[in-house]
Amino acid sequence: QKEVEQDPGPLSVPEGAIVSLNCTYSNSAFQYFMWYRQYSRKGPELLMYTYSSGNKEDGRFTAQVDKSSKYISLFIRDSQPSDSATYLCAMSGAGTASKLTFGTGTRLQVTL
Amino acid sequence: NAGVTQTPKFRILKIGQSMTLQCAQDMNHNYMYWYRQDPGMGLKLIYYSVGAGITDKGEVPNGYNVSRSTTEDFPLRLELAAPSQTSVYFCASNPRGPNEKLFFGSGTQLSVL
Repeated sequence: QKEVEQDPGPLSVPEGAIVSLNCTYSNSAFQYFMWYRQYSRKGPELLMYTYSSGNKEDGRFTAQVDKSSKYISLFIRDSQPSDSATYLCAMSGAGTASKLTFGTGTRLQVTL
Repeated sequence: NAGVTQTPKFRILKIGQSMTLQCAQDMNHNYMYWYRQDPGMGLKLIYYSVGAGITDKGEVPNGYNVSRSTTEDFPLRLELAAPSQTSVYFCASNPRGPNEKLFFGSGTQLSVL
């Protein structure tokens, strides 16, 4: 079993739709949860950062962490064609010796 | 600030050749990382460094070497290139370690034929 599981997609939605992207994980030591967005032929860039459980909202983006279920989500409201990218979840434990573990990424296509 | 700069952007190598992928950052970050990204496999950590003169192996270090003589530069050396090293390589940095935002370069696409 992979430490972090993420559906690779591709996920195709019409403009304006609500998008839900998800990751599950098995390591209960994970405390820091991130979502990176990666456009084609570019490096990933941090989109959302959450510590421990709870929700965090930034504009059209909401990140949710449910540590009891070992499940994290990224919601995109009013999706736009510019949101078309690959979304990578990433997570790590406490301390500088911990390692950041990435999911495989979900490719999202928002169509006009 | 230019951020994290990687060169070259593309390279084709023959089996058995060697090359160095360059990475430089101008943000005075202590931590620097090398990842490879294969289709459907996510990002895998090759090597990382917590400061000048200190490097350590990641998940997939075989076939690679690194050095960190300055805070700014973190080159990745491929010796005796193999087709299994065909991948996209990303360098990243951050100030204080894996629990913080990573700043990525734009990547080097490497093919070994």
